[in-house]
Amino acid sequence: EIVLTQSPGTLSLSPGERATLSCRASQSVSSSYLAWYQQKPGQAPRLLIYGASSRATGIPDRFSGSGSGTDFSLTISRLEPEDFAVYYCQQYDTSPGFTFGPGTKVDIK
Amino acid sequence: QITLKESGPTLVKPTQTLTLTCTFSGFSLSTSGVGVGWIRQPPGKALEWLALIYWDDDKRYSPSLKRRLTITKDTSKNQVVLTMANMDPVDTATYYCAHLTYYWDSGAYYYYFDSWGQGTLVTVSS
Repeated sequence: EIVLTQSPGTLSLSPGERATLSCRASQSVSSSYLAWYQQKPGQAPRLLIYGASSRATGIPDRFSGSGSGTDFSLTISRLEPEDFAVYYCQQYDTSPGFTFGPGTKVDIK
Repeated sequence: QITLKESGPTLVKPTQTLTLTCTFSGFSLSTSGVGVGWIRQPPGKALEWLALIYWDDDKRYSPSLKRRLTITKDTSKNQVVLTMANMDPVDTATYYCAHLTYYWDSGAYYYYFDSWGQGTLVTVSS
């Protein structure tokens, strides 16, 4: 079973700064199987990125995803106040299925 | 527009069986390339995938919970039902259902949950 590790656990930044979040897999993952979600308190997760680098519908272009193999990243080019949230990476494997990372919290410095 | 909504008990006792229903609109679960999954989140913790049912009735379960889970669909009612047996206090969580999109493009399959329900909090306590 593929295990996802996200770092850092918490990222403290100011609005306007750049955020880089890491997602590392315990073994190689197909890029097309890697997605990122944003979750705000009391809300359901929202799809941001799929296929490692494709933005979901309606997602601002300040969000970008990259990576391959075992190392993937989500970058927020300039943090807006509404971007402070928890971010999860997720991968799909034919067996057993889907795995989520432990999350990275982006909070206001 | 795709919408999903979870329903079921908010409180169950240990050892009981939990039954949750996901009622959706905006898509048909008889259409190729579609699935509905269940994901849960204990308070303050990360997301955990539980089960998935595809349009063709293929089913997948989390290995760690497989023995306790059953997922079914009723295409005519636009519903997906998840049952979890032998509930324990550690199963206290918000349970989400989500629409899965999967497709083949340029030599690769893509899989992602692109619409989620609001979630329902289930507490397990005597």
